[in-house]
Amino acid sequence: DAKTTQPTSMDCAEGRAANLPCNHSTISGNEYVYWYRQIHSQGPQYIIHGLKNNETNEMASLIITEDRKSSTLILPHATLRDTAVYYCIVRAAYSGAGSYQLTFGKGTKLSVIP
Amino acid sequence: NAGVTQTPKFQVLKTGQSMTLQCAQDMNHEYMSWYRQDPGMGLRLIHYSVGAGITDQGEVPNGYNVSRSTTEDFPLRLLSAAPSQTSVYFCASSLTGQGNQPQHFGDGTRLSIL
Repeated sequence: DAKTTQPTSMDCAEGRAANLPCNHSTISGNEYVYWYRQIHSQGPQYIIHGLKNNETNEMASLIITEDRKSSTLILPHATLRDTAVYYCIVRAAYSGAGSYQLTFGKGTKLSVIP
Repeated sequence: NAGVTQTPKFQVLKTGQSMTLQCAQDMNHEYMSWYRQDPGMGLRLIHYSVGAGITDQGEVPNGYNVSRSTTEDFPLRLLSAAPSQTSVYFCASSLTGQGNQPQHFGDGTRLSIL
C-alpha cells in the first residue's frame, strides 16, 4: 500500500510560489516526512524534511498539518530550473529497514511555465 | 564539494560479462546504499551498508554483490550481467542510517546489458 498520495502533475507560473501537496494519512508518530526532487536524468536531490513542526531552508518550506496527515512543500519563487518530479516520502525515525529504504512513489511532475 | 561520485556514467555490457560500479563519498558518511531505477517502478534498494565492514541486502539483491572495506567507497559488482539488470543505478549516502539524516544521491550510472 502506498504510504503517500500526490497529484500526478501541476503547473506553476515562473516567479510564483509552487505549492505541492502530499497526503500521508497513515503516518505514525515516529515517521518523518521527506521531500526529494528528480530533474531529468539526474539523481534524486534532497530538499527538506520534518517530523512535526514546519521547516524552512534555503530551497523550500515544509508545512505539516497539526494531525500530520498531510503536508505541503512550498517553493517560494519558482524558476524554470525547478521543473522536476517531486517525491513526498514517509520514513521511519529509528535505524532499521524502515529508515534505510526510501520508498519513492510516482511523485508530482511540476512544470514551471515562463 | 564532490559529495557522492559515481563512475562510470554510462556503460554497455554483453550478457554474461562482469563489471563493478564505483561509488565514493567524501563526507565521512557511515551509511551508503545502492538503488536501481526502472521506468514505472520507482527506486528500489539493492544493498546497503551502515559502516565499513558491514553490508546487508535490500529489496532486490539478487545478481549483485557489495563490499565496504573503507568508509569512503561502496562498489557494486555484477558477476554475470543479464538483460534484466539494464537500469539506472544510484548510490546514496548519509551520516548515519537513522531517519533524521538525509540521504544524498550521486548522478547515477546508466547501464545497458545486450
